[in-house]
Amino acid sequence: GAGVSQTPSNKVTEKGKYVELRCDPISGHTALYWYRQSLGQGPEFLIYFQGTGAADDSGLPNDRFFAVRPEGSVSTLKIQRTERGDSAVYLCASSLSGPISYNEQFFGPGTRLTVL
Amino acid sequence: AQSVTQLGSHVSVSEGALVLLRCNYSSSVPPYLFWYVQYPNQGLQLLLKYTTGATLVKGINGFEAEFKKSETSFHLTKPSAHMSDAAEYFCAVIGDTGRRALTFGSGTRLQVQP
Repeated sequence: GAGVSQTPSNKVTEKGKYVELRCDPISGHTALYWYRQSLGQGPEFLIYFQGTGAADDSGLPNDRFFAVRPEGSVSTLKIQRTERGDSAVYLCASSLSGPISYNEQFFGPGTRLTVL
Repeated sequence: AQSVTQLGSHVSVSEGALVLLRCNYSSSVPPYLFWYVQYPNQGLQLLLKYTTGATLVKGINGFEAEFKKSETSFHLTKPSAHMSDAAEYFCAVIGDTGRRALTFGSGTRLQVQP
């Protein structure tokens, strides 16, 4: 079956612009996660959705970052007034709900964001 | 708080040699521990995980890892490296009550020499 998909695969923008990154989770997965991976680093958690609501947004670095999941499926990560430091690969993952021990997070291929 | 330290950002082995990638963690509760692999231009793939029970866990592609609570370690091993094992490997932990987000280490790039 289809895995997690993310669009676009690459996004180049200018400093100060607004960007939206999209994630399509695996069908039936109610949990959705966003991570950010800077060059040479491991992924860092941004936000976790359970259904339509953000269950944990403790990883969002500041109020320029916002994410939505209005129908409990597709999610959009929104970044306002982009800065060069926002350049990174943005990863999305999804999983079933229930015990962590049984529910693997499946990752998408990521969106590479470059802020000039 | 939960955190992961991976010793060695780059490891190089010869084909057929033992692979050992080190991971130490900190956790406020009994942890869930994971190893992920990232091939060039591909997404992260789960290699193996420890949740409860047997401390030696086996994963895909011949990899295994042992959870050692006394050493707060979860090192990844493979008896005989193959060229196709060349990739970036990430150790991750879920170790805070009520959290589901993974905390990753900074990764170890494995090179396999012919």
